[in-house]
Amino acid sequence: ETGVTQSPTHLIKTRGQQVTLRCSSQSGHNTVSWYQQALGQGPQFIFQYYREEENGRGNFPPRFSGLQFPNYSSELNVNALELDDSALYLCASRNDRGATYEQYFGPGTRLTVT
Amino acid sequence: SQQGEEDPQALSIQEGENATMNCSYKTSINNLQWYRQNSGRGLVHLILIRSNEREKHSGRLRVTLDTSKKSSSLLITASRAADTASYFCATDESTALIFGKGTTLSVSS
Repeated sequence: ETGVTQSPTHLIKTRGQQVTLRCSSQSGHNTVSWYQQALGQGPQFIFQYYREEENGRGNFPPRFSGLQFPNYSSELNVNALELDDSALYLCASRNDRGATYEQYFGPGTRLTVT
Repeated sequence: SQQGEEDPQALSIQEGENATMNCSYKTSINNLQWYRQNSGRGLVHLILIRSNEREKHSGRLRVTLDTSKKSSSLLITASRAADTASYFCATDESTALIFGKGTTLSVSS
């Protein structure tokens, strides 16, 4: 157990809908990253938040957005869901903004878009 | 984009045998990490090796890094059924970790 929790565990949505996924970081960690992992692939970086501000983004469209709250919990929002958004969504936290030290991953949210 | 590429894609061995997985990457790195993932769940950090290190050990794990060849290997000695999982190497790129597609290891008893 890493101390990072995510909710919900599983989610089924319809194409065009919107979804919010939640992450609670490990205590003391001020940086959270979100990753998308399609079946049979490695995780792909969506974005990172440090002290409530986005400070890095991968190759994902603007309909993927996020928030980080003062208690360092985080949300990932996806608008206008597409079938290809079906994936495991992972959040990861760490306590250093600069160097990329080890990250502590949550168990993930499995999103299915029909 | 995926920086690292693991090899082989899949590996099946018997308990007690050693398992070796390789990772190649494209650009210069500050460090390289290995993670394990059980059954499509969260990733667990195994080991980090810095660009100025050549070899690192942690329990039954041994990682090597060859920056001239842009490659790394993960050796798991005396494998157990509980080692069955997917293994990913990850390199750093600004604020992101860049993962390969992983090696799926199956250890049978």
